[in-house]
Amino acid sequence: EAGVTQFPSHSVIEKGQTVTLRCDPISGHDNLYWYRRVMGKEIKFLLHFVKESKQDESGMPNNRFLAERTGGTYSTLKVQPAELEDSGVYFCASSRQGSRSGANVLTFGAGSRLTVL
Amino acid sequence: RKEVEQDPGPFNVPEGATVAFNCTYSNSASQSFFWYRQDCRKEPKLLMSVYSSGNEDGRFTAQLNRASQYISLLIRDSKLSDSATYLCVVNKAGGYNKLIFGAGTRLAVHP
Repeated sequence: EAGVTQFPSHSVIEKGQTVTLRCDPISGHDNLYWYRRVMGKEIKFLLHFVKESKQDESGMPNNRFLAERTGGTYSTLKVQPAELEDSGVYFCASSRQGSRSGANVLTFGAGSRLTVL
Repeated sequence: RKEVEQDPGPFNVPEGATVAFNCTYSNSASQSFFWYRQDCRKEPKLLMSVYSSGNEDGRFTAQLNRASQYISLLIRDSKLSDSATYLCVVNKAGGYNKLIFGAGTRLAVHP
């Protein structure tokens, strides 16, 4: 089974530019999550899709971030315009079924490293 | 106060040593608990879930104390390959895999 794949692995952009990160979850996984780790801090939740619907977007930092999952397959996370504090590693994760108990294991992608200059 | 607190380390131990990591969490309604392992510039990977009764997987033992809101991970007979950052992770109460991560504890095992 192919894992969670993310693209690009590393992106370097200037402040004010736009970047779009892509995540392909494991086939058949309805749940897709975006997490972020900024330098020196812990990994933090951004949002959660169930198929194409946003289940929880409470972790999105502000309206410069837009996540989509058209068709319930891959997802994109766009940052526009990028700011210096957006630098970090953006992880995508997927799981097969939702579970309030959290017992359903997440599989993480290798992450997209974003550097904003 | 952070929701999940860990000693950042680093813990520098020789091969064969036993090492223990601790973690505390602030939300008493948290439902699920995990230890993840993250190698440098890699993604987090689930090491083991943590149950109230305690659980063991080979050289790794995890324990949960709900009354004290405390989680531990014990690694016996450390190997060089155990060198990594160990992340204490709590599932937010009522949240679908809305994981709350600790900042991680670095372990370096040397020959």
